[in-house]
Formats: sequence, C-alpha cells, structure tokens
Amino acid sequence: SQQGEEDPQALSIQEGENATMNCSYKTSINNLQWYRQNSGRGLVHLILIRSNEREKHSGRLRVTLDTSKKSSSLLITASRAADTASYFCATERDNTDKLIFGTGTRLQVFP
Amino acid sequence: KAGVTQTPRYLIKTRGQQVTLSCSPISGHRSVSWYQQTPGQGLQFLFEYFSETQRNKGNFPGRFSGRQFSNSRSEMNVSTLELGDSALYLCASSLIAGGNEQFFGPGTRLTVL
Repeated sequence: SQQGEEDPQALSIQEGENATMNCSYKTSINNLQWYRQNSGRGLVHLILIRSNEREKHSGRLRVTLDTSKKSSSLLITASRAADTASYFCATERDNTDKLIFGTGTRLQVFP
Repeated sequence: KAGVTQTPRYLIKTRGQQVTLSCSPISGHRSVSWYQQTPGQGLQFLFEYFSETQRNKGNFPGRFSGRQFSNSRSEMNVSTLELGDSALYLCASSLIAGGNEQFFGPGTRLTVL
C-alpha cells in the first residue's frame, strides 16, 4: 500500500515557471525524501528532509515539511525542459525503515 | 564510482516460467533493496538485504524471493510467473541499512506473456 499521495497527479508548465508538488503521508516519519524518475528509468535521489526540519534547499529545489499536517511540498524554481519527469516522495513507515513511495507527480515542462 | 547495475535490462517470459534478476550495488554499499513498479500499483517495496540477511520484506507472495552474496550483489527470483508480474523491477543500494538515501539502478523491464 502507498504511504504517500502526491498532488497533483500531473502538472504541465512552461519553461521558466515554478512547479509545486505536494505529498501527504499517513503515519509518523523519521524523514521524507524526494526522488525524480525519467521515463521508464531508475530513480534519482533529490533531497532528504528530516522530521525535525521545516525547510531545505538544494539548487533550484525547495522542500518544506509540515509534520502536524503530515505533508511536504517540493518547489522547482525556474523550471527547464530537462525537469520533465515523474517526482515521488518517499517515507519510512512508523517503526520500520522500509522506504514507501508515493503515487508520483508527472511534470511536463514545455520549452 | 560505477553506479548500480542491473541485468538483464529487458526480459520476456511466459506464464509459469521463473526468472532471476541480478543487481550489483555501488562499491562499498552493503544494503540492497528491490522494488516493483507498475502503472496500477506504483512503486512497491519487495525486500531489503543487508550483509546477506533479509532485513525487511514487503507484501508479496512467496513466489518472490531474493538473496544477497558476500560481495553485496543481489539476485531476486520470481517463480511461476503470472501476467501481473509484468513490471519494471528496480534495485537500489545504500551505504547503510534502512530508508536513507538510495541509489537506483536503471531497472529490469520484465514482460510476461
């Protein structure tokens, strides 16, 4: 079963615009991670935010975490066509360290 | 450092057959996890191995099994294949056990006819 649910399921934007994706999860977590997957290929780790952190930046990526609402958001600023991919959040289920992935957001960036 | 490699990249089997997929982790990584990805179910955790021991297991039938060798390479086996086993099987390695940053291979695309 899925731990995280991403919203929206799909997102289309123009190059230069910002893209925001949201992730909601069900149980308490130790950390939350975001991954990117280009079509039919392996996943690439983007960023990890721990449960005691509220915001983290990495290049054009900004991740926020609200543990009271059990939600996280990933913001990609000044998007590029190369950002076209599916984005997944992943969390560890409470009391285990199995990594459970969300349903993903498909991002399409048009040049 | 070489990344995670998976072989074969593509595989076509028929129902009832069995299949073995291989994964070589990044050098020095001792944890290997396997995932199944399908359009309907998304990314589902299969199992994790660390130091040749299975640490965690997902909710898959016993037809799905795996093992890890002393050099950290891992194999997963699916017996008595069903049409629903058609999927992208992803392997990921990490330095330590548990759900920290994982490095994924390109996956093996299995088609069951």
